[in-house]
Amino acid sequence: QLQVQESGPGLVKPSETLSLTCTVSGGSISTSNYYWGWIRQPPGKGLEWIASIYYTGSTYYNPSLKSRVTISVDTSKNQFSLNLRSVTAADTAAYYCARHITWRFDPWGRGTLVTVSS
Amino acid sequence: QSALTQPPSASGSPGQSVTISCTGTSSDVGGYNYVSWYQQHPGKAPKLMIYEVTKRPSGVPDRFSGSKSGHTASLTVSGLQAEDEADYYCGSYAGSSNFVFGGGTKLTVL
Repeated sequence: QLQVQESGPGLVKPSETLSLTCTVSGGSISTSNYYWGWIRQPPGKGLEWIASIYYTGSTYYNPSLKSRVTISVDTSKNQFSLNLRSVTAADTAAYYCARHITWRFDPWGRGTLVTVSS
Repeated sequence: QSALTQPPSASGSPGQSVTISCTGTSSDVGGYNYVSWYQQHPGKAPKLMIYEVTKRPSGVPDRFSGSKSGHTASLTVSGLQAEDEADYYCGSYAGSSNFVFGGGTKLTVL
């Protein structure tokens, strides 16, 4: 059964770069027709799609975050990653990774809370 | 882009049916059949319940159903059970390789 799991620092300083990695297990990240995505959820608030990537490196970005976000993939490690630059307190959120199939997300990782604070 | 519009709350008694709406525009919900619904229990990750407007993933009870009319999609939960109490989010493809979620609806089982 395919699973995804987020990892990365739980605390990032303002103006620095938030970096997270998602490890895919129980299946290959290089499977045709599967993209891999990041979604975030500020505490007590709703979901926001951030970006998605195909194993070939093809990417989709949320226009509102595109200027600060880079998503990348490492097929040798069955992982994909998120970099969010110049973070502020507004970027404090639970960050989820998920498989992205034809504009739906399933399954999701358990999520990792990232706090932006000095 | 703007988030899709959902009512903040909905409720029903055990055994009853409840419907949650998700209103968008012709650029998202109304323009594509890529509406999905997610259930999120407190402190847990979201779970896909409905995709492509009406389809149910394997393992999701058939008490959950989806529909769409114009710019509004709906999730109906029939035969409400205590474990259905959760937050529900809709999402839709919004064109130009973009995706948008709704603001979420808290479903309370009375």
